[in-house]
Amino acid sequence: GNSVTQMEGPVTLSEEAFLTINCTYTATGYPSLFWYVQYPGEGLQLLLKATKADDKGSNKGFEATYRKETTSFHLEKGSVQVSDSAVYFCAPVYGGATNKLIFGTGTLLAVQP
Amino acid sequence: NAGVTQTPKFRVLKTGQSMTLLCAQDMNHEYMYWYRQDPGMGLRLIHYSVGEGTTAKGEVPDGYNVSRLKKQNFLLGLESAAPSQTSVYFCATYRVGQPQHFGDGTRLSIL
Repeated sequence: GNSVTQMEGPVTLSEEAFLTINCTYTATGYPSLFWYVQYPGEGLQLLLKATKADDKGSNKGFEATYRKETTSFHLEKGSVQVSDSAVYFCAPVYGGATNKLIFGTGTLLAVQP
Repeated sequence: NAGVTQTPKFRVLKTGQSMTLLCAQDMNHEYMYWYRQDPGMGLRLIHYSVGEGTTAKGEVPDGYNVSRLKKQNFLLGLESAAPSQTSVYFCATYRVGQPQHFGDGTRLSIL
């Protein structure tokens, strides 16, 4: 079935370091791709998205590019802040009009001052 | 997450007890979803609804029932709670052309 594989955490970085969180998905059809972020004690919030090949989603300094040839959607940020500490989920959408998300296991990011 | 409200936020149950989790939305979204979040498992879809009066099974439906009698409410029921149902439960809503919108979660412990 459809699935997504996400980089295991925790990822611990110093402030201003470069961040990459890897995400690959199964290539059934052409899913839309999302990154969600979950801050402590809160629900998931959409961080960014890309709906077709070579699209780049970006928000709050984070970026991810839809790579159809490698079925990947890696999340990057050039300079992380302590406030970026959260759990990040990669989630392709399958299932047509039902918009069923398939979530990765989540990657905990801890940024130290 | 003012648009999606989950109640209660926390609950502790004993094995065999029953309870209902409520998800209420004020965004007039057609689709609603119930997920559970467990360590190392990501979020898994329990049940979902594509409109008032309709429900469908997700990835892990066993032990749960749902109802969508009103468009704005999606109820998740546990008829006989089991320790394996200890989890954080999230409700989400969706409208065509927009991403899913999540509630803040319900933390449920089954003793």
